[in-house]
Amino acid sequence: NAGVTQTPKFQVLKTGQSMTLQCAQDMNHNSMYWYRQDPGMGLRLIYYSASEGTTDKGEVPNGYNVSRLNKREFSLRLESAAPSQTSVYFCASSEAQGLVFEKLFFGSGTQLSVL
Amino acid sequence: DAKTTQPNSMESNEEEPVHLPCNHSTISGTDYIHWYRQLPSQGPEYVIHGLTSNVNNRMASLAIAEDRKSSTLILHRATLRDAAVYYCILRDPLQGGSEKLVFGKGTKLTVNP
Repeated sequence: NAGVTQTPKFQVLKTGQSMTLQCAQDMNHNSMYWYRQDPGMGLRLIYYSASEGTTDKGEVPNGYNVSRLNKREFSLRLESAAPSQTSVYFCASSEAQGLVFEKLFFGSGTQLSVL
Repeated sequence: DAKTTQPNSMESNEEEPVHLPCNHSTISGTDYIHWYRQLPSQGPEYVIHGLTSNVNNRMASLAIAEDRKSSTLILHRATLRDAAVYYCILRDPLQGGSEKLVFGKGTKLTVNP
């Protein structure tokens, strides 16, 4: 099983450039998430999608847009990259197990540097 | 949301048990305790979760204090592959989905050969 697949794994951008980070999951999960992790820090939620066709802001949404293209895919777009967006980006999906517990599955991350 | 407090780092020796503590003195009655870990250069992975009773699975055990104000993740025999950052997270399922999971800085576990 592939699980959660992120592309690309590494990317270097110049300030002002745009790019889209791709994420796909093959586990038929309804919910998907984008996090960023800065050096020595925990993960912070950027956007999430509880189901196909819906998206909501997380803790740090400024400077990002997302698209839930279908149930499998959830992309993150940087319209005008800034050095403050240098980070490692993780995509995740979740499986609801009953009414009280959801288990998150993460991709391996995209390391983004903005010069 | 109730917060958790974990030591920044811990060390252990290979094949010895490891007890990773987590304090959550403001936990509510409906908060579940989750543990995830993040291996170097990887995304976090689920380890275990519980509400009141101690829990065991193939990866670890979770011991929850009777007053639920603290918990301990137990790795019974640490291996070099267990070197990771371990996150203790509280989540109230009545307050929404997994978007409510807040990953702090966690505890960085070093395992010595």
